[in-house]
Amino acid sequence: GAGVSQSPSNKVTEKGKDVELRCDPISGHTALYWYRQSLGQGLEFLIYFQGNSAPDKSGLPSDRFSAERTGGSVSTLTIQRTQQEDSAVYLCASSQKVFGSAEQYFGPGTRLTVT
Amino acid sequence: AQKITQTQPGMFVQEKEAVTLDCTYDTSDPSYGLFWYKQPSSGEMIFLIYQGSYDQQNATEGRYSLNFQKARKSANLVISASQLGDSAMYFCAMREGQGGNNRKLIWGLGTSLAVNP
Repeated sequence: GAGVSQSPSNKVTEKGKDVELRCDPISGHTALYWYRQSLGQGLEFLIYFQGNSAPDKSGLPSDRFSAERTGGSVSTLTIQRTQQEDSAVYLCASSQKVFGSAEQYFGPGTRLTVT
Repeated sequence: AQKITQTQPGMFVQEKEAVTLDCTYDTSDPSYGLFWYKQPSSGEMIFLIYQGSYDQQNATEGRYSLNFQKARKSANLVISASQLGDSAMYFCAMREGQGGNNRKLIWGLGTSLAVNP
């Protein structure tokens, strides 16, 4: 079936505005992850969902960041009152396995630019 | 301290030759998994290979193999018979624990590989 999809692919917003980023995981994948990749950096973990619950939110950088997942499928990452340091590529991944390799399959990302 | 260290910001290799990309890690958890991902210029992360800390043999997937040296805490990626399409960023990542709710990946900063014709 289809891979992980994310929308929008690019988002330019003004400082102080709210943005919503969407992730549609691979069908049947119960785990969903959000990461952030700043220019020239590795990936930074934000949050992980198992089904609709988020056992690990440890990577959310501030209370301006929130995420939800509904129906065990689509997830939305919301950034309120965006700041310039929020500019990055936001990557979503999903996985099916619980133990062992549990490799994560990534979407193409949303490039967020805060002006 | 960095949990995943990739000491080579950039590497060059001649087409059809083999290349080794270095990765060292730091963890006190006896159970962990190591991953390599490829990120071409298109931006998408592509899973390449996985090595579990209890796996007895080095992982192999086609032209990719992982040189796992547990005592040295290194998990180097070996790409054999390099192809032009191998030009990309390569990331090493680690997951501590066997899974369950501890499933986030910790990432290195990556190595940029350029394959020359």
